[in-house]
Amino acid sequence: NAGVTQTPKFQVLKTGQSMTLQCAQDMNHEYMSWYRQDPGMGLRLIHYSVGAGITDQGEVPNGYNVSRSTTEDFPLRLLSAAPSQTSVYFCASSYEAGNSPLHFGNGTRLTVT
Amino acid sequence: GDSVTQMEGPVTLSEEAFLTINCTYTATGYPSLFWYVQYPGEGLQLLLKATKADDKGSNKGFEATYRKETTSFHLEKGSVQVSDSAVYFCALTGRGGGGADGLTFGKGTHLIIQP
Repeated sequence: NAGVTQTPKFQVLKTGQSMTLQCAQDMNHEYMSWYRQDPGMGLRLIHYSVGAGITDQGEVPNGYNVSRSTTEDFPLRLLSAAPSQTSVYFCASSYEAGNSPLHFGNGTRLTVT
Repeated sequence: GDSVTQMEGPVTLSEEAFLTINCTYTATGYPSLFWYVQYPGEGLQLLLKATKADDKGSNKGFEATYRKETTSFHLEKGSVQVSDSAVYFCALTGRGGGGADGLTFGKGTHLIIQP
């Protein structure tokens, strides 16, 4: 009964490095999304997907890439990390977009120095 | 665009006190409204929701009523416990027709309950 699993829990990067934040769900949800949480800013949508092979940009997509090759997985890639990307990242999924409740992972805390 | 406004806090109450966390919103169309709760070190969990005007969502003693005339969705609980200490987020469905572009969240209200 794992739900939404995010790895790693913590990560420190140097400016310019790249990495992938992993997200997997075992609930057969069609909709998956990535948010970042910053103090005083709430949660902001980075990218989302309404099904395998389909992705779209959210409110703050610059500097991030996503892909959705399977229903279960939705990785988030940072191509060239910047200090402005220091944040807590949450992956969330739901049965479908709209009124279905979002199920969140426990987050990845990323620090870029 | 859509937006959600809520008090940020921290809000500090004594155990068994009455709780109100205000939430107002701006949105086009008829969004669904949600309250999520985040405990320390965890992701957000759905607390309650309402999908149309005058609906009341309730869960674990918390309640909120969808008020379209005042564009509000205030969270209330009659008697809070120490275990209710957390950050509470008000949210609404996105701008797209099917809400596909995610939820719009408020900035969160940090609630501290003292014994």
